[in-house]
Amino acid sequence: DAMVIQNPRYQVTQFGKPVTLSCSQTLNHNVMYWYQQKSSQAPKLLFHYYDKDFNNEADTPDNFQSRRPNTSFCFLDIRSPGLGDAAMYLCATSRTGTYQPQHFGDGTRLSIL
Amino acid sequence: SQQGEEDPQALSIQEGENATMNCSYKTSINNLQWYRQNSGRGLVHLILIRSNEREKHSGRLRVTLDTSKKSSSLLITASRAADTASYFCATDAVSGNQGGKLIFGQGTELSVKP
Repeated sequence: DAMVIQNPRYQVTQFGKPVTLSCSQTLNHNVMYWYQQKSSQAPKLLFHYYDKDFNNEADTPDNFQSRRPNTSFCFLDIRSPGLGDAAMYLCATSRTGTYQPQHFGDGTRLSIL
Repeated sequence: SQQGEEDPQALSIQEGENATMNCSYKTSINNLQWYRQNSGRGLVHLILIRSNEREKHSGRLRVTLDTSKKSSSLLITASRAADTASYFCATDAVSGNQGGKLIFGQGTELSVKP
């Protein structure tokens, strides 16, 4: 089945140690999104790509970076994770346009030691 | 800035009962979407209602939209234990080239007891 796949499902890293989360999709959607979701909170958009056009949210910390080498893959890099970055990170895709639903992966739960 | 507020924050019902969740938002929208999230999983799209629509159905789901009150409701009829999840509304705001960006409400945690 076409889907959005996130790896790993669980990631543990040390305070300050860089970590990369990955997302792949077989839907051939040109828009990809990264969200951060803390416990019992709404998903918060960090950034998104229209094709290779990167769009950062104004309040996304500089500590968070992203790469999209091709249509299928997108990466979230956290350069120096702090304790406050422990969260679920969700990747989503959609077609371009106003009336398009988003398709989510199952997320990566990040823990910081 | 947060767009959606949901009410109630938590809802507990018995299997077979109906569940109603409400969402309010602040600015003009292109459309409003509802998503479900099971514990520890990603979000699943349930239904999208456009700003010029007032009601939409999908199986046991019924969504209403009142743009004059900037509010929406999600009704799940004849609930099942498998409906236990968090439900989020999300708005696609009318604003320049932001088509496709969603702002999520805080969610309603629904518990359906067998």
